Parts: sequence; C-alpha cells; structure tokens
Amino acid sequence: EAGVAQSPRYKIIEKRQSVAFWCNPISGHATLYWYQQILGQGPKLLIQFQNNGVVDDSQLPKDRFSAERLKGVDSTLKIQPAKLEDSAVYLCASSPYLAGEGETQYFGPGTRLLVL
Amino acid sequence: AQSVTQLDSHVSVSEGTPVLLRCNYSSSYSPSLFWYVQHPNKGLQLLLKYTSAATLVKGINGFEAEFKKSETSFHLTKPSAHMSDAAEYFCVVRGDSGYALNFGKGTSLLVTP
Repeated sequence: EAGVAQSPRYKIIEKRQSVAFWCNPISGHATLYWYQQILGQGPKLLIQFQNNGVVDDSQLPKDRFSAERLKGVDSTLKIQPAKLEDSAVYLCASSPYLAGEGETQYFGPGTRLLVL
Repeated sequence: AQSVTQLDSHVSVSEGTPVLLRCNYSSSYSPSLFWYVQHPNKGLQLLLKYTSAATLVKGINGFEAEFKKSETSFHLTKPSAHMSDAAEYFCVVRGDSGYALNFGKGTSLLVTP
C-alpha cells in the first residue's frame, strides 16, 4: 500500500513570496490533515478535511494560509505572503475515517520550508 | 484541554540497555494516547496507541507503554535498545474536539555503542 505522498520535499523562498505544497493521501482515506512542525517542537494541526469539507481550521492563520481539497482526494496548502516564522516542516497525514477513538493517522515525509 | 508533557528533551542510552521515555498527560476524561517515532528525513510512524482497553500496550519494534491513570502517565519503554532506535519520539493525546492530535515537544533518543 502506497503511503502519503508530499511534494516538494524541500523549498527555499524569500519572505513575502508565495509557496504551495501538495499532498496525496493514502487511497480511500476520507480524512486529510495538514500539520506545521517548527524546529524543536511537535507538530501542530493547521487544518483537517473530511472528504472535501473543512472539519477544523481553527489554528490556520487565514490571513496568509489557505488550503483546499476540491475533489476529496489530494490537497494543496498555500502560504501567501510567507514570513520568516513560517520556516518549518509541513506534514500531511490521512486516516480512513473521521477521527474516532484510537483512529490512526498516517504521515507523509513532509515538506521542509525555509523562508529567507 | 488535552495536553501532554514529555519530561526529557534528550535521553542517551547504551545499546542493549533499557529505554524509558517519560510522558505525563492532562485530560478531563479518559484520553486516547499515542507514541509516534520520527527518524531523520522520514515521516512520523505510529509506535502504539492506548484507547481505554488494556492499560499495557504493546507496539512495534519491541516498544510498550503503560497507561497509569493514578499517575497521569504514559511512559514508553523497551527492554533493550538497538542502534536503529535512535530517533525523535513524540507522546500524543487526541484533542478536545476528538479530531486534532496534540503532540508533546518530543524526546530525542541517542543510542551509543
């Protein structure tokens, strides 16, 4: 079974530029998550989708971050404009159903973003 | 709010000796708890999970964790460390809404020959 795919793996941009990350979840997984992992910290949820609908985006900085999952499969996370503090690893995860007790999330390798 | 505290940011053990990574949780009800491992340049991998069934949970690669409600702890152990166990370990609790995973800050495990 193929895992969660993410691209690009690395990205370097200057502040105020725009950047987009792509995620393809495990086939058949209804729920997709984007996490931000700043160096030295644990991942923090940015947004959660159930199929193509948003379940939780309470921690997404909506003035600069946006995400979509139009067909309920792959997803794109965008930052516009980027700030220095956005330097982090952006992790995508998926799970078969809406999170329930003990539901396992499967993580992709992440996209490492450096904002100069 | 559900949260976890990993008590050690770095742990160093010799190969073949026991591993103990400590985690305390804060929860207003019976939590769902997880341990994930992150190897360099690799994705997070689930080691084990606790979901109100058996308090001693066995995971992959010889790891296990014990849920102790009286101590609000969920420590991760392994009887004998292997060089390949060197990685970052995260204790995780499911959030209030039932959706988000709340991660600890991580414990970096170093295994020396």
